[in-house]
Amino acid sequence: GAVVSQHPSWVICKSGTSVKIECRSLDFQATTMFWYRQFPKQSLMLMATSNEGSKATYEQGVEKDKFLINHASLTLSTLTVTSAHPEDSSFYICSAAGLAGGRPEAQYFGPGTRLTVL
Amino acid sequence: SQQGEEDPQALSIQEGENATMNCSYKTSINNLQWYRQNSGRGLVHLILIRSNEREKHSGRLRVTLDTSKKSSSLLITASRAADTASYFCATEGGNEKLTFGTGTRLTIIP
Repeated sequence: GAVVSQHPSWVICKSGTSVKIECRSLDFQATTMFWYRQFPKQSLMLMATSNEGSKATYEQGVEKDKFLINHASLTLSTLTVTSAHPEDSSFYICSAAGLAGGRPEAQYFGPGTRLTVL
Repeated sequence: SQQGEEDPQALSIQEGENATMNCSYKTSINNLQWYRQNSGRGLVHLILIRSNEREKHSGRLRVTLDTSKKSSSLLITASRAADTASYFCATEGGNEKLTFGTGTRLTIIP
């Protein structure tokens, strides 16, 4: 149980285009989804927290107009990288937290999306 | 957010030996979690230890938590080649957000 999928698993795009990444919780309802960014050989940095039906909360230094997040349902959140540039190339990972005994605890991570902007 | 520190940054051991990784953090926590990441892949949740717990076991994994020292350790016993991966600790401080440590790259030599 607690499977999270991401689509696409990898994408290559030209500079200036927008890319949408989907994150789905397959067998549970995720009240909260998180988006992380990971550079090679580095740790995960939280970008934003997304709750179903409300606006995402962005971490300091993350441009909300650059990284659009939509949490349309309890099983789907999307991250759109708008007007992508080479410096946006990274590994983007989402996670989903459900309810366990009334309090979300462990997060379940998707397999990640490798974005390369040419 | 401030990341935790993990040490060592990299560890290579022979198959069958035990591997110990340490994690230190800076703020008060509700729980601490350990994750494994194979190269270029997502994270796999290994174990969660709450702030009122001192030790927890799961299979070949043993986690300790010392909140007075703000540190945790992950012990993998009888290591296998398949344990080769990066291991991250992550702390949760009550707002659901996870703050990840810098990670330890573990290599098991067959």
